[in-house]
Amino acid sequence: GENVEQHPSTLSVQEGDSAVIKCTYSDSASNYFPWYKQELGKRPQLIIDIRSNVGEKKDQRIAVTLNKTAKHFSLHITETQPEDSAVYFCAASPGTYKYIFGTGTRLKVLA
Amino acid sequence: DGGITQSPKYLFRKEGQNVTLSCEQNLNHDAMYWYRQDPGQGLRLIYYSQIVNDFQKGDIAEGYSVSREKKESFPLTVTSAQKNPTAFYLCASSPGHGSYGYTFGSGTRLTVV
Repeated sequence: GENVEQHPSTLSVQEGDSAVIKCTYSDSASNYFPWYKQELGKRPQLIIDIRSNVGEKKDQRIAVTLNKTAKHFSLHITETQPEDSAVYFCAASPGTYKYIFGTGTRLKVLA
Repeated sequence: DGGITQSPKYLFRKEGQNVTLSCEQNLNHDAMYWYRQDPGQGLRLIYYSQIVNDFQKGDIAEGYSVSREKKESFPLTVTSAQKNPTAFYLCASSPGHGSYGYTFGSGTRLTVV
């Protein structure tokens, strides 16, 4: 069935370093790929998204890349800060109502 | 708070008891969703609804029930048939087919006592 694999499950980086989180999806009909950040005990918040007609999108320190051939997409955070510490979820959607979420990555930025 | 409200924030259930989680949105969104979140397992879809008076099972619907009598409301009942209900439950809404972007509620943490 449809699934999204997300790696790594935990990631620790030093403040100022970059962090990369990778996802692989199975449904070739997927055409929308959002990333959510969830701080402890809070709701997931959309931080960036990309559609299948675009290969890369940037928003300040955050970027997402998409490789449709390989069915891979990645989140890149540069110049990490302590407030970037959270759980990050990727998702894939074929444009219908459902999102398929990855299992999440717990990012810890060490000061 | 963000246009979608879940209540209560914390809920305790006794063995064999049914409990209902509330989800209300004022975003005029057509679609609403319920997800369950367990540590290390991400977000799993329980039920979703595209329009009023219609809903579909997600991946883990057993032991749960929903209703969609109003566009704004999508309550989730956790029945006694759900053997391991302790989890964090998230409600979400989206504009509808062809439109992107979920808005999440702040969640309900359910604990069996």
